[in-house]
Amino acid sequence: EAQVTQNPRYLITVTGKKLTVTCSQNMNHEYMSWYRQDPGLGLRQIYYSMNVEVTDKGDVPEGYKVSRKEKRNFPLILESPSPNQTSLYFCASTSLEGYEQYFGPGTRLTVT
Amino acid sequence: DAKTTQPNSMESNEEEPVHLPCNHSTISGTDYIHWYRQLPSQGPEYVIHGLTSNVNNRMASLAIAEDRKSSTLILHRATLRDAAVYYCILRDVGYNAGNMLTFGGGTRLMVKP
Repeated sequence: EAQVTQNPRYLITVTGKKLTVTCSQNMNHEYMSWYRQDPGLGLRQIYYSMNVEVTDKGDVPEGYKVSRKEKRNFPLILESPSPNQTSLYFCASTSLEGYEQYFGPGTRLTVT
Repeated sequence: DAKTTQPNSMESNEEEPVHLPCNHSTISGTDYIHWYRQLPSQGPEYVIHGLTSNVNNRMASLAIAEDRKSSTLILHRATLRDAAVYYCILRDVGYNAGNMLTFGGGTRLMVKP
């Protein structure tokens, strides 16, 4: 089954404690993205990657890092999380030729 | 970036057709019109997309105005499972634009039994 998986699905952490949210897709897609969703602000793109070792900033990249060492994986790294990064995070992927983005189930992060 | 305007919410009765409008008066020639929906507690899900001609798939139909300044997503028979937030999104297919989707506020569709 074609899918995007994220782990963990729920995470509560404290300010400053580094964390990584993993994202993996099994469709051999070139494009992968991270979005955050906040009430009243909709979905906003954090980072995206057009292929292995190629990443670029989206609309709200501050406080986040990403890496793309393998085609299937695109982890989101918060080196020093802060409470304003409390949000619902979605990973997505799509092929170079395709128009359909596949989204993961979401990771709800709370930073206290 | 060209923006879209959608009503905040709409209501429909189960088994009836639903027409969800979207205005995009500043659309450019290289913008595709995409529709996604987000069911409660889930990630967004692709519904349909088009450029100039009307499009049909198993989920919905997309009607695009001749001047491309507006479009309508049509659900032919709404079910309770169609209750979701529907997003109308413009996506530039230019190479340097990457593959970004810019989500607006969307339309919350409520379906009454």
